[in-house]
Amino acid sequence: QSALTQPRSVSGSPGQSVTISCTGTSSDVGGYNYVSWYQHRPGKAPKLIIYGVSQRPSGVPDRFSGSKSGSTASLTISGLQAEDEADYYCCSYAGSFVVFGGGTKLTVL
Amino acid sequence: QVQLQQSGPGLVKPSQTLSLTCAISGDSVTSNLAAWSWIRQSPSRGLEWLGRTYYRSKWYYDYAISVKSRITINPDTSKNQFSLQLNSVTPEDTAVYYCARDLSTAMGDWGQGTLVTVSS
Repeated sequence: QSALTQPRSVSGSPGQSVTISCTGTSSDVGGYNYVSWYQHRPGKAPKLIIYGVSQRPSGVPDRFSGSKSGSTASLTISGLQAEDEADYYCCSYAGSFVVFGGGTKLTVL
Repeated sequence: QVQLQQSGPGLVKPSQTLSLTCAISGDSVTSNLAAWSWIRQSPSRGLEWLGRTYYRSKWYYDYAISVKSRITINPDTSKNQFSLQLNSVTPEDTAVYYCARDLSTAMGDWGQGTLVTVSS
């Protein structure tokens, strides 16, 4: 039950695109299509932005997209905006467990 | 619309038990679709899933290996809520604790968070 692997930080300028990777194993990311992504700003509860690998909850802009290849999931944010600056966490079902990634800090330059 | 309201103390002494409650409105703790989870967040660990309970004709409980020997999550059907108990806490358990509704690992509804500090 190890944490999923994410880069500690990524950055991009407004209008650009960034991609955050999330690497697991065949026991979690690779074994199920239950990968979700959360945006977390200080002092607030995490916000679900992607579920089921690539589904967006209502109200989440289509600038946010998710995908998966093998045991690596990815979150892509296109048309970066200043308000996207936050921590992002991936999450996967793993049988009897749920496992989060270590988190990635997105800086909008 | 689902709302989760957390309650419980923000300060716990080392070796004692951390206890939090999450009251549910807009859904039922006995839902056959949802699981009811506890997650914590700290600067050193990020988001950490602690465990969940769910009802599928009977009650099920899943716990993270890291806390399995110390954690209990209990549903309370009479009050439509669920609780977290974490025993033998140390300063390493200092974190913001959240409850959340889990729909196939899509946690779209969260409590407001409770900062719990473990200190004498």
